[in-house]
Amino acid sequence: AQTVTQSQPEMSVQEAETVTLSCTYDTSESDYYLFWYKQPPSRQMILVIRQEAYKQQNATENRFSVNFQKAAKSFSLKISDSQLGDAAMYFCAYRSRYSGGGADGLTFGKGTHLIIQP
Amino acid sequence: DVKVTQSSRYLVKRTGEKVFLECVQDMDHENMFWYRQDPGLGLRLIYFSYDVKMKEKGDIPEGYSVSREKKERFSLILESASTNQTSMYLCASSLGDRTTNEKLFFGSGTQLSVL
Repeated sequence: AQTVTQSQPEMSVQEAETVTLSCTYDTSESDYYLFWYKQPPSRQMILVIRQEAYKQQNATENRFSVNFQKAAKSFSLKISDSQLGDAAMYFCAYRSRYSGGGADGLTFGKGTHLIIQP
Repeated sequence: DVKVTQSSRYLVKRTGEKVFLECVQDMDHENMFWYRQDPGLGLRLIYFSYDVKMKEKGDIPEGYSVSREKKERFSLILESASTNQTSMYLCASSLGDRTTNEKLFFGSGTQLSVL
């Protein structure tokens, strides 16, 4: 079974600075997808960014980018120019490319609570 | 935008009660999921469904059952609620193509307290 590890329960950053959230995963598969989800106090989970394992190029979405290291099984999220609205829980998630049986959902890490200091 | 609606934001029940958590999505999605979220444990998959009347166990199905009689509605059932089922329950849906990196759309969650 796949596992996703987020080693930072909480991170704090000054507004306008850059922060990196860590995520590692364990899998024997070669083809899969990785995601970062954000959960603000409203509790609504929002997709921030996603990466296909077969793509070498790191995904970017405006101020959000990832550092995908397939050999190291690492998938970190970098937030540039942090804003107060970025304060939330961030979850890293894994999904097999060819899912079936009990593996069709995402496997989530335990989350990192990001605090933005004004 | 896809809307996933969970019927209750907060729910308080007593031990032994039968509890129904309802979830409705409005975009004709094939897949629907129930997760529970606990502090320090992240999200864990309880059950999912990829078609009407179809269901699959997730990682922690014990103590739960589900029902999907219509495509848009996916219900989570606690047959006899226990205090260890106090948690945040999140419903999600996705379009249904298993070979793509399709995203999940989530509801706003139901915070269930079992006393």
